[in-house]
Amino acid sequence: QQQVKQSPQSLIVQKGGIPIINCAYENTAFDYFPWYQQFPGKGPALLIAIRPDVSEKKEGRFTISFNKSAKQFSLHIMDSQPGDSATYFCAASRGSSGSARQLTFGSGTQLTVLP
Amino acid sequence: NAGVMQNPRHLVRRRGQEARLRCSPMKGHSHVYWYRQLPEEGLKFMVYLQKENIIDESGMPKERFSAEFPKEGPSILRIQQVVRGDSAAYFCASSPRGSGETQYFGPGTRLLVL
Repeated sequence: QQQVKQSPQSLIVQKGGIPIINCAYENTAFDYFPWYQQFPGKGPALLIAIRPDVSEKKEGRFTISFNKSAKQFSLHIMDSQPGDSATYFCAASRGSSGSARQLTFGSGTQLTVLP
Repeated sequence: NAGVMQNPRHLVRRRGQEARLRCSPMKGHSHVYWYRQLPEEGLKFMVYLQKENIIDESGMPKERFSAEFPKEGPSILRIQQVVRGDSAAYFCASSPRGSGETQYFGPGTRLLVL
């Protein structure tokens, strides 16, 4: 199974809140899990990524929590700001032929942070 | 320090015409990936190329779609005889040699088929 399931589809929080976006996967061969942020009319930009050998990774206000046994990972945004309003995609990839690492994306979460 | 460049940014075609999308990877990057994003959906992998080689085209429709990455010049995604269902945003990503995980995306080409 190559699917990555993402929830919720949309999320509204107040400024300073901590939105949490969840993803689940089935393919245990996945070994790289990035999160991308996309603003309207722009391409996705890499936010943060994790490998399954760690359970948590923090970069600034963004934290990934990873649960290998449950095959789930989530993105937490601390002290969210209106400028964080965007669509967030989780993704997963695995090593395959050569260095090919096609990304399998979740369906996206549209986050709105109210001022 | 130019990022991934794509052109055109917007492309309008009538049914049956050809669409040609271009992608220039980041400087020093030799791996190119193409993805398609339908409205309100996530990105779907289409094809992975290195210079002069198609490495993985498992996500590419069998007909009408082709891709190339010549020794000189940008990568090209070509869609022949476009249909309305081809309307989507097409994104190119590139990665440096040996670091296939970190893919940097371009701004995309939004194709509208009338």
